[in-house]
Amino acid sequence: GAVVSQHPSRVICKSGTSVKIECRSLDFQATTMFWYRQFPKKSLMLMATSNEGSKATYEQGVEKDKFLINHASLTLSTLTVTSAHPEDSSFYICSANGQGNYGYTFGSGTRLTVV
Amino acid sequence: AQKITQTQPGMFVQEKEAVTLDCTYDTSDPSYGLFWYKQPSSGEMIFLIYQGSYDQQNATEGRYSLNFQKARKSANLVISASQLGDSAMYFCAIENSGYSTLTFGKGTMLLVSP
Repeated sequence: GAVVSQHPSRVICKSGTSVKIECRSLDFQATTMFWYRQFPKKSLMLMATSNEGSKATYEQGVEKDKFLINHASLTLSTLTVTSAHPEDSSFYICSANGQGNYGYTFGSGTRLTVV
Repeated sequence: AQKITQTQPGMFVQEKEAVTLDCTYDTSDPSYGLFWYKQPSSGEMIFLIYQGSYDQQNATEGRYSLNFQKARKSANLVISASQLGDSAMYFCAIENSGYSTLTFGKGTMLLVSP
């Protein structure tokens, strides 16, 4: 079945630094990638949608300059949390759909802790 | 706008028993899809089952079945013969056909006891 590989699974960074999270579709071409944020014991909140080769579409209230999304190829999308602060600590998870994959395949998630 | 409501924050069931997790939805789209995902404590989202709005029959996948009542806008997940490994968070989601995104409910935490 379709697989999305997400790295890193856990990251701890210092306040003010930037962190990059990668999602790769391993066996299908991900024409669309979705990035979600999840607070403890809460639901998934969609942050942005990106189509390969074009700019991401951000949901209302999501700072596009803080959460940079790049989807330069059909198999790779990245989320960069710039100048991270403790309030950015959260669980971030990507999902993808595209050619050869019906539905939405999720990555395994990244737990970000900013200290 | 689309909305998913999961009214059960937590459910308890004994091993080998069946359990129903509730999900109601609201949408103005005539065509939509409904998904159920399982999220164990490790965090990954595991796809369980899908129901299309025009599907004539209720979806089934192994021990999972979906009780789809279109007129009542409900899509309840039924897990038969619960196992200890079923303990997890369960999310119902609706696909926005116009934008191809998923809107999730708040989830239901299922605990299966021996």
